[in-house]
Amino acid sequence: EVQLVESGGGLVQPGGSLGLSCAASGFTFNTFALSWVRQAPGKGLEWVSAISGSGGNTYYADSVKGRFTISRDNSKNTLYLHMNSLRAEDTAVYYCAKEGCSGGSCYSDWGQGTLVTVSS
Amino acid sequence: EIVLTQSPGTLSLSPGEKATLSCRASQSVSSSFLTWYQQKPGQAPRLLIYGASSRATGIPVRFSGSGSGTDFTLTISRLEPEDFAVYYCQQYGNSPFGGGTKVEIK
Repeated sequence: EVQLVESGGGLVQPGGSLGLSCAASGFTFNTFALSWVRQAPGKGLEWVSAISGSGGNTYYADSVKGRFTISRDNSKNTLYLHMNSLRAEDTAVYYCAKEGCSGGSCYSDWGQGTLVTVSS
Repeated sequence: EIVLTQSPGTLSLSPGEKATLSCRASQSVSSSFLTWYQQKPGQAPRLLIYGASSRATGIPVRFSGSGSGTDFTLTISRLEPEDFAVYYCQQYGNSPFGGGTKVEIK
């Protein structure tokens, strides 16, 4: 059974930094791309960032480019998101999601999410 | 960047009725990567449909997806109480999600 467990959320001041982790199990970690998707309170889903299975390719939404860094440690089966220069509009539940389906065409599995609150 | 527009924003229906949700893309989308997700309050999204029309594992047959090009549809043939939720479409692959359609009990 695939399990994705996010951690690291919390309260941070505007301009601050925070690191999120997503511990994975139940699949061959280094063969699947992973993504971060967030959801502001009462709002819809927003794709944030993605990383290939090897970690060699990374992608970012324009809203976080230059401030967030996605990475993975395939020896620890863990995905990371390091967030700098945080803004109030970054307040959201952050989900990690695993690539799946035929040809890698969906987010087949999601974590339960971790809440990041940016406020003074 | 492709923009996905979902309509209606809210759909008010009774259990047993048919729900038809629309997802329109600003430019042509590969059907292979069009996905639908269901989200209930306080829960993570759940994959329903991938490849525009393939049901994910464990998804009941009352859920079906169709469409191509710029117009896609999610149909719930007969609403069950557990189907009242928010539904999102997305072109998988580092792309925005649609704004969502809330299916609420009338």
